[in-house]
Amino acid sequence: GAGVSQSPSNKVTEKGKDVELRCDPISGHTALYWYRQSLGQGLEFLIYFQGNSAPDKSGLPSDRFSAERTGGSVSTLTIQRTQQEDSAVYLCASSLGLGGFGSPLHFGNGTRLTVT
Amino acid sequence: AQKVTQAQTEISVVEKEDVTLDCVYETRDTTYYLFWYKQPPSGELVFLIRRNSFDEQNEISGRYSWNFQKSTSSFNFTITASQVVDSAVYFCALSEALKTSYDKVIFGPGTSLSVIP
Repeated sequence: GAGVSQSPSNKVTEKGKDVELRCDPISGHTALYWYRQSLGQGLEFLIYFQGNSAPDKSGLPSDRFSAERTGGSVSTLTIQRTQQEDSAVYLCASSLGLGGFGSPLHFGNGTRLTVT
Repeated sequence: AQKVTQAQTEISVVEKEDVTLDCVYETRDTTYYLFWYKQPPSGELVFLIRRNSFDEQNEISGRYSWNFQKSTSSFNFTITASQVVDSAVYFCALSEALKTSYDKVIFGPGTSLSVIP
C-alpha cells in the first residue's frame, strides 16, 4: 500500500517568508509525528498527534512553528517568518498508534527546507 | 524524562568484521519500548526492531542481533560479518507507555557506520 507521503520534497524560501509542509500518513494510522533533522544530526522531536487527543507540542522550538492535523489524517507543519537556522529536513512519520503498545513508525522521505 | 544516548558518533569497519552499536536509555516508566532504525544514504528511515521492557530475550535476525539489558539500561545492536550495504546511520529510539505521552518516540543522536570494502 501507499506509504507516508510528504510534499514538497524540496523547498527553498527567503528568510522571513512563511512555509507550509504537508504530510499524508498511511491510511488507518492514528498517530502522526513531525521530526527535524539538521545536516548530519539526529532526529529532533517536534510534535506528535494521537487520535483525537490534544497534540504533544513539547518539541516545537519556538512560537513560529505550528502544526495541525485535519480530520485525523493529513497534517500541515507551518513555519512563520523563517530563519536560516530553520534549514533542515523535516520528517513526518505515522504509526498505528495502539495506545502504549509501541507501534513502529513509518517515515516519509522528508521535505528538505532551505532558507536563504 | 525520556533520553537516549548513542555514544559512538561514527564507526568504520572493514567488510566482514563484526560491529556493535551501543545504545543507553533513560526512563522513569516501567513499561516502555525500544527500537532501532536504519537510515541509509538514500535518506529514508527504516524500522529494524522493537523490544518491550518486559522481554529481555536477545533476538537474532540473520546477521543482526540485539542485546537488551535492563540492569544497565542498554539495548545494543550487533552486525555480524558486516557488508558494504550496512553502511548507514543507525538510530536507537525509546517510547514510554505513560498515559500522558504514550507512543511519543524519542531518538538518540545516531551512529554513522561505514563499512569499507
